[in-house]
Amino acid sequence: QVLLVESGGGLVKPGGSLRLSCATAGFNFRDYYMSWIRQAPGKGLEWISYISGGGSNIYYADSVKGRFTISRDKATNTVYLQMNNLRVDDTAVYYCARDYLGGRFDPWGQGTLVTVSP
Amino acid sequence: QSVLTQPPSVSAAPGQKVTISCSGRDSNIGNNYVSWYQQLPGTAPKLLIYDNDKRPSRIPDRFSGSKSGTSATLGITGLQTGDEADYYCGTWDSSLSVVVFGGGTKLTVL
Repeated sequence: QVLLVESGGGLVKPGGSLRLSCATAGFNFRDYYMSWIRQAPGKGLEWISYISGGGSNIYYADSVKGRFTISRDKATNTVYLQMNNLRVDDTAVYYCARDYLGGRFDPWGQGTLVTVSP
Repeated sequence: QSVLTQPPSVSAAPGQKVTISCSGRDSNIGNNYVSWYQQLPGTAPKLLIYDNDKRPSRIPDRFSGSKSGTSATLGITGLQTGDEADYYCGTWDSSLSVVVFGGGTKLTVL
């Protein structure tokens, strides 16, 4: 059974940092791209970053470029999202998902809530 | 404003059929595959349709997808109260070089 479990969310002040983790199991981790997608409260979905299976191909949405860093650890089958210089509009539930590219994500984790507030 | 346009809400009675539209342009829907997601209240999105019209094996055939030009459509037949959810379309946008989603459509089963 494929499983994705996010952790690391919480309350942080503007300008602060958080690192999200996405632990995976049940599939060959190194064979798949992984993505982070977020959803602001009451809003729609926003894709923010992906990383290739080997970690060499990385892409960010403009909204997080220069502030967020995606990485992966093949030893622990975990994907990370380091978030720096957080802003109030980064408040959202952050999901990790296995990425088949082209907008196909399956499955998704349960999400972790990040709240940025003074 | 979302790059892909969906109606904010649709409704239908149990047992009936409903369709949800997703409109885009050549740079996204027109030249790329479309996926559809179901998000039940308080849960993570779940893949319903990929590559325009393919269903993961766990998804019942009550759900279907189609694409024509720069628009895509999700169809749900035999509506059940458990289908009440938000539905999102998504695809790659070749001009923006990002995955784009529709704003979501809330389905109410009356």
